[in-house]
Amino acid sequence: DAKTTQPTSMDCAEGRAANLPCNHSTISGNEYVYWYRQIHSQGPQYIIHGLKNNETNEMASLIITEDRKSSTLILPHATLRDTAVYYCIVRVDRGSTLGRLYFGRGTQLTVWP
Amino acid sequence: DGGITQSPKYLFRKEGQNVTLSCEQNLNHDAMYWYRQDPGQGLRLIYYSQIVNDFQKGDIAEGYSVSREKKESFPLTVTSAQKNPTAFYLCASSKRAGPVEQYFGPGTRLTVT
Repeated sequence: DAKTTQPTSMDCAEGRAANLPCNHSTISGNEYVYWYRQIHSQGPQYIIHGLKNNETNEMASLIITEDRKSSTLILPHATLRDTAVYYCIVRVDRGSTLGRLYFGRGTQLTVWP
Repeated sequence: DGGITQSPKYLFRKEGQNVTLSCEQNLNHDAMYWYRQDPGQGLRLIYYSQIVNDFQKGDIAEGYSVSREKKESFPLTVTSAQKNPTAFYLCASSKRAGPVEQYFGPGTRLTVT
């Protein structure tokens, strides 16, 4: 699977947009970009995923560059409850790797009041 | 409520003892997964199962064993052969093994002394 690079930490003021970047310069054409987050001592929570097009759901937006070498997760109005570690995962689903997620260390997002 | 349950939340064992961690889901998902997380690290895949009575080793299967006799249950046994078993263990499930989201349980924190 393609390796991802994320900043170790970021912070954001409550009510402002949080933009979390991820580099995946070795991504292949059939690899999806996933975002999960993990609040301290809890199980990770799925946020969003995409292949080529930008995606939006009730939690966030995912912007993928045209060359697919990087993406940005956008939390439009960050709240204190969004403080968590955010993981960017690039995954291909084929053969023996079906369903496998490869988590790196993620970005610790801290939202301050 | 549909979801994944893991029990217990905290577990303490003496070195040399086998211990079994429970994972149950009522989401009617076909695929289930076990991950291990060490402090400050991402998740690493131990075992996964795409269907009942079938499972595959993940990246760090040594010292662990699983069974998948029922669709809703995927217990993990940490054996005495696991050299460093103290960790946070997370169970997850998905509708199928593929480009879909995984749902995680709350985790079990195992401490072996």
